[in-house]
Amino acid sequence: AQTVTQSQPEMSVQEAETVTLSCTYDTSESDYYLFWYKQPPSRQMILVIRQEAYKQQNATENRFSVNFQKAAKSFSLKISDSQLGDAAMYFCAHHTGANSKLTFGKGITLSVRP
Amino acid sequence: DSGVTQTPKHLITATGQRVTLRCSPRSGDLSVYWYQQSLDQGLQFLIQYYNGEERAKGNILERFSAQQFPDLHSELNLSSLELGDSALYFCASSPRQGNYGYTFGSGTRLTVV
Repeated sequence: AQTVTQSQPEMSVQEAETVTLSCTYDTSESDYYLFWYKQPPSRQMILVIRQEAYKQQNATENRFSVNFQKAAKSFSLKISDSQLGDAAMYFCAHHTGANSKLTFGKGITLSVRP
Repeated sequence: DSGVTQTPKHLITATGQRVTLRCSPRSGDLSVYWYQQSLDQGLQFLIQYYNGEERAKGNILERFSAQQFPDLHSELNLSSLELGDSALYFCASSPRQGNYGYTFGSGTRLTVV
């Protein structure tokens, strides 16, 4: 079974600074996909970034980038130039294929200090 | 608007009652997933349907059931409700596989009193 671990329940960052959110996962599959989702106070789940395990290049979406370490089964999210609107809960998630579900970590609450 | 529509947005009901949550997936998506998010908990997978057929089951209670109709909308039925069933219930959809991630609805907040 796939598991996703987010060991930090909360983090805080100063506006305009950079923060890294950690995530580790466990899987026996060789082909899988990793995601970060954002859940702001509105509770809407928003896809932030996606990484394909067979791609060595780290995914980037504007101010959001990942550090994907396949051997270590680590998938961290870096937020650059943090903005007040980045304050939210962030979930790391893992998916293996056609008949697989998206497995989420417990999430981390990020606060942004003005 | 994500394209996934969930109704109702809020629901308050008493213990022992039965409720139905409804979900319309994004246009073109064949897979529907139901998740439960309790207070201080992550998202727990309940069940997946693909083009009308059940594809995967998670930690879904026997008191809970779901189905996907020919028009692809889905309903989650919760019966004999308990206080602990109070949660945010999300529906999500994907085209076929979930490799590109799921699109989530805005959720139904269920409060059991």
